[in-house]
Amino acid sequence: AQSVTQLGSHVSVSEGALVLLRCNYSSSVPPYLFWYVQYPNQGLQLLLKYTTGATLVKGINGFEAEFKKSETSFHLTKPSAHMSDAAEYFCAVIAPDTGRRALTFGSGTRLQVQP
Amino acid sequence: DAGVTQSPTHLIKTRGQQVTLRCSPKSGHDTVSWYQQALGQGPQFIFQYYEEEERQRGNFPDRFSGHQFPNYSSELNVNALLLGDSALYLCASSLSFGREAYEQYFGPGTRLTVT
Repeated sequence: AQSVTQLGSHVSVSEGALVLLRCNYSSSVPPYLFWYVQYPNQGLQLLLKYTTGATLVKGINGFEAEFKKSETSFHLTKPSAHMSDAAEYFCAVIAPDTGRRALTFGSGTRLQVQP
Repeated sequence: DAGVTQSPTHLIKTRGQQVTLRCSPKSGHDTVSWYQQALGQGPQFIFQYYEEEERQRGNFPDRFSGHQFPNYSSELNVNALLLGDSALYLCASSLSFGREAYEQYFGPGTRLTVT
């Protein structure tokens, strides 16, 4: 079974500051990892994904994440926060070798951006 | 290119009633998954449909059932509604094969309130 832990249910940063949202996963087989963003009263939008290959992946809106197998982590970063980045962020995992294609989500991190 | 659409946007039902939610997948996608997102939590996988059959199911009771039509659209039915069924119900679509099969696109959701 897979699981995802997102440390910090709320993160607050100043506009222009570094954004770091933490995600640790548990999986018995090599995982595929995803970050989704959810704006108020909307569905989920895919920010970026890691499947295989390069461990540093770049996504939309200037976000990137690095897959670190030794640390079982997939933290999301952005060098400079914008007011428009304020939203809920979810990390998710799939274990493709199991044949299951259901996403397992973390509990989410709400990002606040202060002016 | 139309994305995933869901209807209705909002719904209010009384305990014990039945509800049907609808989803149309992104153009070109043939697989539909349903998730329940309770307030303040990450989405939880309900089930997935492909070729008009339920292929995978999460830890939800039989009160939750679904259907997929030949045009790949899908319905989620919930019988004997409980207060705890109040949530945002998200539909996601994907391809059925290839590495892109693990990339799920979400609709805006249906907000169900049970009173």
